[in-house]
Amino acid sequence: KAGVTQTPRYLIKTRGQQVTLSCSPISGHRSVSWYQQTPGQGLQFLFEYFSETQRNKGNFPGRFSGRQFSNSRSEMNVSTLELGDSALYLCASSFGGTENTGELFFGEGSRLTVL
Amino acid sequence: QKEVEQNSGPLSVPEGAIASLNCTYSDRGSQSFFWYRQYSGKSPELIMSIYSNGDKEDGRFTAQLNKASQYVSLLIRDSQPSDSATYLCAVTNTDKLIFGTGTRLQVFP
Repeated sequence: KAGVTQTPRYLIKTRGQQVTLSCSPISGHRSVSWYQQTPGQGLQFLFEYFSETQRNKGNFPGRFSGRQFSNSRSEMNVSTLELGDSALYLCASSFGGTENTGELFFGEGSRLTVL
Repeated sequence: QKEVEQNSGPLSVPEGAIASLNCTYSDRGSQSFFWYRQYSGKSPELIMSIYSNGDKEDGRFTAQLNKASQYVSLLIRDSQPSDSATYLCAVTNTDKLIFGTGTRLQVFP
């Protein structure tokens, strides 16, 4: 069965631009979580979507947003990019249900470089 | 204080030895605990989950949980060079999964 698919895998943007990243979860999974990974901070939770609703949110500024579609695919958007947004953005899917079980399946990530 | 703390390492062990990886967490209400492995340049993958105090064994891996001490550990028996990776401890906190920064394990032949 296909895994979690993230696109694009690599992208380069300049400060002030905006970016949209896409994630297709494993078939049957209804929860999608997004994480930012940097060498200094490790994996930091951005947000989680379940059944098209944001169920949880981390401590990131409003420039970071997301959404989930009826087919469980998710997108995240970062507006007004800053140099510090350079990171690997990981999407993870799970079955979901009444609560986040913590058993996540990660995609290969989208590596964003901001110049 | 970080929510989930791990020693960054590297932890170097010889092939065949037991590797012991440790993690502490700050929220006493945490209910679920996980170990993920991340090879260099790859994404994390779940290797163990533990939900109650005590030990849980799966092949060469044993997860240990002590909620009173807010402590989780992962033991890898008969360590192999292929176990060389970063091991991430993760804890559910108010329905969010929070990761530690990981411990880099190096297993040398």
